[in-house]
Amino acid sequence: DVKVTQSSRYLVKRTGEKVFLECVQDMDHENMFWYRQDPGLGLRLIYFSYDVKMKEKGDIPEGYSVSREKKERFSLILESASTNQTSMYLCASSSGQFTGELFFGEGSRLTVL
Amino acid sequence: AQSVTQPDIHITVSEGASLELRCNYSYGATPYLFWYVQSPGQGLQLLLKYFSGDTLVQGIKGFEAEFKRSQSSFNLRKPSVHWSDAAEYFCAVADFNKFYFGSGTKLNVKP
Repeated sequence: DVKVTQSSRYLVKRTGEKVFLECVQDMDHENMFWYRQDPGLGLRLIYFSYDVKMKEKGDIPEGYSVSREKKERFSLILESASTNQTSMYLCASSSGQFTGELFFGEGSRLTVL
Repeated sequence: AQSVTQPDIHITVSEGASLELRCNYSYGATPYLFWYVQSPGQGLQLLLKYFSGDTLVQGIKGFEAEFKRSQSSFNLRKPSVHWSDAAEYFCAVADFNKFYFGSGTKLNVKP
């Protein structure tokens, strides 16, 4: 069964802390994505990656960075967390051949105090 | 720019009743369209997709959607709703590997 695993379901951090959100997929997918989900706003794309060490900005990259050192792992980094980054973060992956299906993890709910 | 609008934030239907969730999109070319469902505490799961061809597409869990180019719509339907369908539903349009999601519609199902 396909699986996208996000390392932390719930995190509470303080303003200014550096935050790492980890995502691992076991489907050998080329593409990986980080979305932010907020009520009334749906999902907004933060960053995506088409290959190892490659990344592209999505619609809301400010305040975030990403790392993809291995094909199966895609990390989202908040260099200095702020309260407006309190949100649900969803990781997704898809195969390099476009099928239209994204496979999502269960999400990481981040609270920044 | 690509965008998706879901005009209904919340919908409540009785179990056994029919359901239609609305979705309108803005896209320059022939769109790739999707419906995803998110159950509480879960990630999103693909319900169905439209790439081309027959404008009525069937998905999992008894859902279907109809693509209407003239109305820029891709509404989701189900003839008889089950209590387990209570979830949040997202419409999306894809520009190759970039997906643009609507703001979602929360479905409540009354017994």
